Amino acid sequence: NAGVTQTPKFQVLKTGQSMTLQCAQDMNHEYMSWYRQDPGMGLRLIHYSVGAGITDQGEVPNGYNVSRSTTEDFPLRLLSAAPSQTSVYFCASSPITKNIQYFGAGTRLSVL
Amino acid sequence: KNEVEQSPQNLTAQEGEFITINCSYSVGISALHWLQQHPGGGIVSLFMLSSGKKKHGRLIATINIQEKHSSLHITASHPRDSAVYICAVPSRPSNTGNQFYFGTGTSLTVIP
Repeated sequence: NAGVTQTPKFQVLKTGQSMTLQCAQDMNHEYMSWYRQDPGMGLRLIHYSVGAGITDQGEVPNGYNVSRSTTEDFPLRLLSAAPSQTSVYFCASSPITKNIQYFGAGTRLSVL
Repeated sequence: KNEVEQSPQNLTAQEGEFITINCSYSVGISALHWLQQHPGGGIVSLFMLSSGKKKHGRLIATINIQEKHSSLHITASHPRDSAVYICAVPSRPSNTGNQFYFGTGTSLTVIP
């Protein structure tokens, strides 16, 4: 049982480059979300999805896109990377009826 | 405005000491979560509690709903307990939505 799998673990980008952070879960959870974690701040919600085909913005959505074509996958796209997007990104999933989240191992992103 | 406040921000203890981490919140909740994040690692859920006390090994979590306060205690602390401990509460009292307010975390270092 893999749980929540995030790839890559580390990534360095140049300003203006685009990339996709991958997230997959094998627990058939309806709810998936992306967070960023910055020093001195709590986890902040970027985007979330309550099921395939449904996505919505969180607290800090600007500069990021998401899609949810299947229950399992919830990729996060950086359209044009900026140094302000240097952060650690976490994907999480949970069953819609339970207030408990399962987190991936995180992706450490640096934008130069 | 921080819906979740944790204290202390940083904590250093000698191996074997009893440790307490505090969390105060300002929103009405159905349950509160304690999460653990190891250096360079992912985030795992330790406890979800809505009343009273829960115990898992050397970890004890308590909550006082009336006072909107929770504590995480570690008895007989060990260097492997060194991690960041995060308090989280649902942003809505109901169990749907699965969105959270997160504290900024307490960084614990246990010295042998």
